[in-house]
Amino acid sequence: DAMVIQNPRYQVTQFGKPVTLSCSQTLNHNVMYWYQQKSSQAPKLLFHYYDKDFNNEADTPDNFQSRRPNTSFCFLDIRSPGLGDAAMYLCATSPRGWNRQETQYFGPGTRLLVL
Amino acid sequence: AQSVTQLGSHVSVSEGALVLLRCNYSSSVPPYLFWYVQYPNQGLQLLLKYTTGATLVKGINGFEAEFKKSETSFHLTKPSAHMSDAAEYFCAVSVNTGNQFYFGTGTSLTVIP
Repeated sequence: DAMVIQNPRYQVTQFGKPVTLSCSQTLNHNVMYWYQQKSSQAPKLLFHYYDKDFNNEADTPDNFQSRRPNTSFCFLDIRSPGLGDAAMYLCATSPRGWNRQETQYFGPGTRLLVL
Repeated sequence: AQSVTQLGSHVSVSEGALVLLRCNYSSSVPPYLFWYVQYPNQGLQLLLKYTTGATLVKGINGFEAEFKKSETSFHLTKPSAHMSDAAEYFCAVSVNTGNQFYFGTGTSLTVIP
């Protein structure tokens, strides 16, 4: 089945130690998104790729970076995780992104714990 | 500016009872509206969406929602709750730039046996 896959499902890191979360998709969608979701809160968009074009949200901290080496994969890099970065990180895709009718398809998420 | 308000962060219903989850939106353009469900430790799954046309939208698992422009609402309903409906429900409005979603803060649904 076509899907959005996130690895690992759970990630533990130390304060200040760089960490990378990965997302892959078999949907061949043009757009990939990264959301941060803290406990009992709505998902918050960090950034998205429209094909190879990177779009950062204005309030996304510089500590968060992303890479998209090809259509299928997208990575979230947290350069120096702080305790406040502990959250669920959700990856999503949409087919084209220029049409706001489009559904976003979400992966199962990676829960990040910072010690 | 676009925003979504979900009234009631926690809703409890008895098994077999009506489910009503409320969503009101604010949008400067005709809205595209979505309901997503999130089961524990999982990603979000689309329940239904309104784009254009019929204002009563039917989704998966017996859920439906009605777009009411005059009330700026898009409430989610299900006639008879099932234990498996216990989850977090998010309403979202879609805006044009970058296909960004604005999510509501979510409603946690508990189904009591």
